Amino acid sequence: DQQVKQNSPSLSVQEGRISILNCDYTNSMFDYFLWYKKYPAEGPTFLISISSIKDKNEDGRFTVFLNKSAKHLSLHIVPSQPGDSAVYFCAASARGGATNKLIFGTGTLLAVQP
Amino acid sequence: GAGVSQSPRYKVAKRGQDVALRCDPISGHVSLFWYQQALGQGPEFLTYFQNEAQLDKSGLPSDRFFAERPEGSVSTLKIQRTQQEDSAVYLCASSLEPVSYEQYFGPGTRLTVT
Repeated sequence: DQQVKQNSPSLSVQEGRISILNCDYTNSMFDYFLWYKKYPAEGPTFLISISSIKDKNEDGRFTVFLNKSAKHLSLHIVPSQPGDSAVYFCAASARGGATNKLIFGTGTLLAVQP
Repeated sequence: GAGVSQSPRYKVAKRGQDVALRCDPISGHVSLFWYQQALGQGPEFLTYFQNEAQLDKSGLPSDRFFAERPEGSVSTLKIQRTQQEDSAVYLCASSLEPVSYEQYFGPGTRLTVT
């Protein structure tokens, strides 16, 4: 039972254009969402996050949007750069448990073409 | 500063062997997590430590998996009598405080069981 879903295994965009990566979740107890970026042979690197009390968070070229009613979030990268090419994981966490463990999606491979 | 480090980076074990994977978290980080990432999947939670206390081991797939963090810093994940299905990348992550959602990952240990 996949609680966090990334339905697009891959995405290809041109340098300078916008990249939009999508994520859906099923557990309404999730109250914090994160995006991680992963290069081959490296661990995931934290990119940006959003609390469920917000609907948007922006950090430089990266913006995350949260639509709680649709249980959907998206990561926008503008403008996209070749160095952004990596696997992007969406993750979620639920307050109230003994741990802030993260539940990850399966990832989306982003390729930014020069 | 130094990030999370893991050793060995690669481990090949024959089926039935025991293995031990080491994680050095960021200095001062209270929380430590272990995740397992199978090929083509996102990381999946295994276990969580707050200092030396193992507060959640709900993700450990069988009693062949054991983790410890005796002095609240370095952690070891041990897998006894390895099976082929244990082949995966094992990721360690740490965070500064238990209430922190952002986790910082090490590069992982790729375990291959032959």
